[in-house]
Amino acid sequence: AQKVTQAQTEISVVEKEDVTLDCVYETRDTTYYLFWYKQPPSGELVFLIRRNSFDEQNEISGRYSWNFQKSTSSFNFTITASQVVDSAVYFCALSEAYDRDYGQNFVFGPGTRLSVLP
Amino acid sequence: DSGVTQTPKHLITATGQRVTLRCSPRSGDLSVYWYQQSLDQGLQFLIQYYNGEERAKGNILERFSAQQFPDLHSELNLSSLELGDSALYFCASSVVAAGSSPLHFGNGTRLTVT
Repeated sequence: AQKVTQAQTEISVVEKEDVTLDCVYETRDTTYYLFWYKQPPSGELVFLIRRNSFDEQNEISGRYSWNFQKSTSSFNFTITASQVVDSAVYFCALSEAYDRDYGQNFVFGPGTRLSVLP
Repeated sequence: DSGVTQTPKHLITATGQRVTLRCSPRSGDLSVYWYQQSLDQGLQFLIQYYNGEERAKGNILERFSAQQFPDLHSELNLSSLELGDSALYFCASSVVAAGSSPLHFGNGTRLTVT
């Protein structure tokens, strides 16, 4: 069965520091999709990015970047020059390609709480 | 705005009572998921529906039930409520039952059981 691990429960950084949130996944499939979500203190869950298993190219969006490495089954998220508004819980998630066995196909990690201090 | 609508936003009720949470998925999405998030906890998967049929079940208590209607909206029924059921309940929707489509979440219903 698929699994997502986020070993860092909580991280605190000072504003302008760079921070990397780790995500390690397990799946039997060769085709799968990885996601990151942000949950700010206001509570809503915001979709940030999707990456498919065939695309190992790193992605950058402003201060956010994602490093996908199949060799280590990792999909890490880096925030450069962190800001107080980045304070949130971040969830990594995995979805398998095929709806085949009536198990849960979309699996979330336990989340990492990031606190950015001024 | 994710396009997923959850009502009500807040619900306060007493132990032993029954409540119904409602979710309208994004237009075109066939799959609806329900998650429970207790204070400072992760997302606990409860149940998933796809096009009206139950597709996957997580750690959903027997006191809880759900359904997805022909118009694709979904309801989560919580009965014989206990203090420990106080949580944020999220609904999410996606186009398909699995695969590349991300889940789009509603803003949640905050349930407080007193």
